[in-house]
Amino acid sequence: GAVVSQHPSRVICKSGTSVKIECRSLDFQATTMFWYRQFPKQSLMLMATSNEGSKATYEQGVEKDKFLINHASLTLSTLTVTSAHPEDSSFYICSAERGAEAFFGQGTRLTVV
Amino acid sequence: AQSVAQPEDQVNVAEGNPLTVKCTYSVSGNPYLFWYVQYPNRGLQFLLKYITGDNLVKGSYGFEAEFNKSQTSFHLKKPSALVSDSALYFCAVRPGNTPLVFGKGTRLSVIA
Repeated sequence: GAVVSQHPSRVICKSGTSVKIECRSLDFQATTMFWYRQFPKQSLMLMATSNEGSKATYEQGVEKDKFLINHASLTLSTLTVTSAHPEDSSFYICSAERGAEAFFGQGTRLTVV
Repeated sequence: AQSVAQPEDQVNVAEGNPLTVKCTYSVSGNPYLFWYVQYPNRGLQFLLKYITGDNLVKGSYGFEAEFNKSQTSFHLKKPSALVSDSALYFCAVRPGNTPLVFGKGTRLSVIA
């Protein structure tokens, strides 16, 4: 099956710094990728839709200046959490779609201290 | 509005017994339906999907699900549960050409 790789799997950063998370589709091209956030024991919350070569589409309530998304190529989307604060600590998951099927990255556990 | 309901937060089953994880949906039009499994601190793994065709769909690791249009359900089943099946299960629906909509998840615990 298709593979989506997400890096890093785990990151700890200081409050006020920025963190970049990468999502790569390894064996297919993805014009669209999705970024989700998952709180403990809760479902996935769609944050934004990343579109190759154009601006991301953010869901209501998600700050686009805080969660910067860049989809510069057909195999790579990045999510940068800017000026991170402890409340940004969460599990972030990306997905890329091929046809009607979505493939997910391994997730990134972000801890802001 | 499109939505997916997983009525059970937790399902407990003894190893070797059959298991069912429930899912109902509310969408307009013909939905694409999916089941995913998540292990701790991991992303989601695809189990199975219904797009069209036979209502009974067979997927990975011995799981299957039955699409029931009249009841708008897509329950996940397995004839004989394994301890290794213990995980968090998500039902998801794609209403047309839009992002997946996920249920809240059901935690399955298989007891030896």
